[in-house]
Amino acid sequence: KAGVTQTPRYLIKTRGQQVTLSCSPISGHRSVSWYQQTPGQGLQFLFEYFSETQRNKGNFPGRFSGRQFSNSRSEMNVSTLELGDSALYLCASRPPGLDATGELFFGEGSRLTVL
Amino acid sequence: KNQVEQSPQSLIILEGKNCTLQCNYTVSPFSNLRWYKQDTGRGPVSLTIMTFSENTKSNGRYTATLDADTKQSSLHITASQLSDSASYICVVSASGTYKYIFGTGTRLKVLA
Repeated sequence: KAGVTQTPRYLIKTRGQQVTLSCSPISGHRSVSWYQQTPGQGLQFLFEYFSETQRNKGNFPGRFSGRQFSNSRSEMNVSTLELGDSALYLCASRPPGLDATGELFFGEGSRLTVL
Repeated sequence: KNQVEQSPQSLIILEGKNCTLQCNYTVSPFSNLRWYKQDTGRGPVSLTIMTFSENTKSNGRYTATLDADTKQSSLHITASQLSDSASYICVVSASGTYKYIFGTGTRLKVLA
């Protein structure tokens, strides 16, 4: 069974640009969540999508957005990039379930560097 | 406020030694607690899950404990190996919600 796939793995952007990251969940998983990880900050929750609907949102500015497609694949977009957006962006999917009891399966992440 | 705190923030031990990582939480209503291991530059991977009724659970050299009364969990690593060098993240699920509450992690470095 294939794991969670994130693309691209590494990317470099400059301030003011925008970026789109992609996440393909494990087959059968309909929930996809996104996290930002910076040194010393731990995993910060961005948002969660379930059946193409945003179900939960963290405390990030509107420059961070996402969407989910009918095949459960998800994308997140960051517009007007700032230096502080440099981070590892992780995507996780989880088995079907009504609440947050299932194991999160993480992808390898997309390492974004903003210059 | 739902919170998960981990200690220590970082830890350095010699190969072959044991260590214990701590996780204190104030999450209600509690559903379960998971320990994840995250190698540098990789995504976290679940090591073990603890539910309300479980006190101890082992996964090889990893043993997790849970004290639901004091809302504390620990992860004990026995006979550490170089490959144990990683960040260990405690994640608590709130029952009846879609929320996972993450600790900031403990960074463990095992030296030869």
